[in-house]
Amino acid sequence: NAGVTQTPKFRILKIGQSMTLQCAQDMNHNYMYWYRQDPGMGLKLIYYSVGAGITDKGEVPNGYNVSRSTTEDFPLRLELAAPSQTSVYFCATGGANTGELFFGEGSRLTVL
Amino acid sequence: DAKTTQPNSMESNEEEPVHLPCNHSTISGTDYIHWYRQLPSQGPEYVIHGLTSNVNNRMASLAIAEDRKSSTLILHRATLRDAAVYYCILRGWGKLQFGAGTQVVVTP
Repeated sequence: NAGVTQTPKFRILKIGQSMTLQCAQDMNHNYMYWYRQDPGMGLKLIYYSVGAGITDKGEVPNGYNVSRSTTEDFPLRLELAAPSQTSVYFCATGGANTGELFFGEGSRLTVL
Repeated sequence: DAKTTQPNSMESNEEEPVHLPCNHSTISGTDYIHWYRQLPSQGPEYVIHGLTSNVNNRMASLAIAEDRKSSTLILHRATLRDAAVYYCILRGWGKLQFGAGTQVVVTP
């Protein structure tokens, strides 16, 4: 089992470009989350999903979009990249709403 | 959403126990208390979680106050590899938000 797979691991974007960060899980978990972590700071919730077809905003959703068409995948879309979106992005999944979360290795994004 | 409050940092000598406090006075009856840690340049990893009773696993122990408004993560014998940021979070329905965490420094 791969667990939680994030791609790409590293990416440099120019201002105004668009891209999608991929998150895939093979644990059949209903709950999936996207976080961003700026240097020296804690994790901030961007979007989350409690099941296929259901998504909701977290603390910092502006500038991002998500979709959850399958249980396995939860892509995060940046439409018009800005320098403020330079960060490390983590995807996480969980089964029952009380159990442990599993995190991906992160995707480091730089917007220049 | 229920929030947690943790000290910014704590220091410990190697091989000594570390007690990490967390306050969560607005916890709801269905929220589970989770602890995660994040080593430098890595994603968070699960440490332990519980609802009402104290919990033990190979990594740590979790002591939960009777009124559930606070909890303490106990690392029994700190090693240099335990140096990390430790996050106390509440998991219920939906949102799962991290606070600033506690930076644990372990001195040889």
